[in-house]
Amino acid sequence: LAKTTQPISMDSYEGQEVNITCSHNNIATNDYITWYQQFPSQGPRFIIQGYKTKVTNEVASLFIPADRKSSTLSLPRVSLSDTAVYYCLVGSGAGSYQLTFGKGTKLSVIP
Amino acid sequence: GAGVSQTPSNKVTEKGKYVELRCDPISGHTALYWYRQSLGQGPEFLIYFQGTGAADDSGLPNDRFFAVRPEGSVSTLKIQRTERGDSAVYLCASSPGGGRSYNEQFFGPGTRLTVL
Repeated sequence: LAKTTQPISMDSYEGQEVNITCSHNNIATNDYITWYQQFPSQGPRFIIQGYKTKVTNEVASLFIPADRKSSTLSLPRVSLSDTAVYYCLVGSGAGSYQLTFGKGTKLSVIP
Repeated sequence: GAGVSQTPSNKVTEKGKYVELRCDPISGHTALYWYRQSLGQGPEFLIYFQGTGAADDSGLPNDRFFAVRPEGSVSTLKIQRTERGDSAVYLCASSPGGGRSYNEQFFGPGTRLTVL
């Protein structure tokens, strides 16, 4: 399983765009990149998944460079309710049912 | 539609006791997973069910831990002779099963287990 590295914590003011970068230097050819969000006292929640280039949904954007050795989760105009831990996961789309979570990035949004 | 539910939300027990934790997955989801999360850490995989069978129980820490899913829906995680080190939040997740859906798992709120 590809190992991921992401910052332990980040602070941001409300209304700003937040970018969280994850390194995954040994990502395999068939690996997808998935991000989860976890609020206190709740289970993780799927945010977005991508394989290459850019993926956007109603919550976030995911940027993946051509070499796929890193990825950046972008949260537009964060609010206090975006305060959470964000996990970057790397694994294959088929047959890899074990989600391997690291420690994640604790994002604190400041008023 | 209802999400994944887990009961109880909190469980306090004494060292050496037996506990059962229940998970009700999203209706129709064939894949069910158990994870354990310690304070300040990400969730850690325990076991995966596809239907009624445990397809992978490699994450169970020892033989005190056991899980069942007899009818392919509700699952119960059973812990015998609990130890203080078993204290954690136990998370259950489900997914439709198969292919890329493994990466999008729907988690319940967890059961916080405290062993005194």
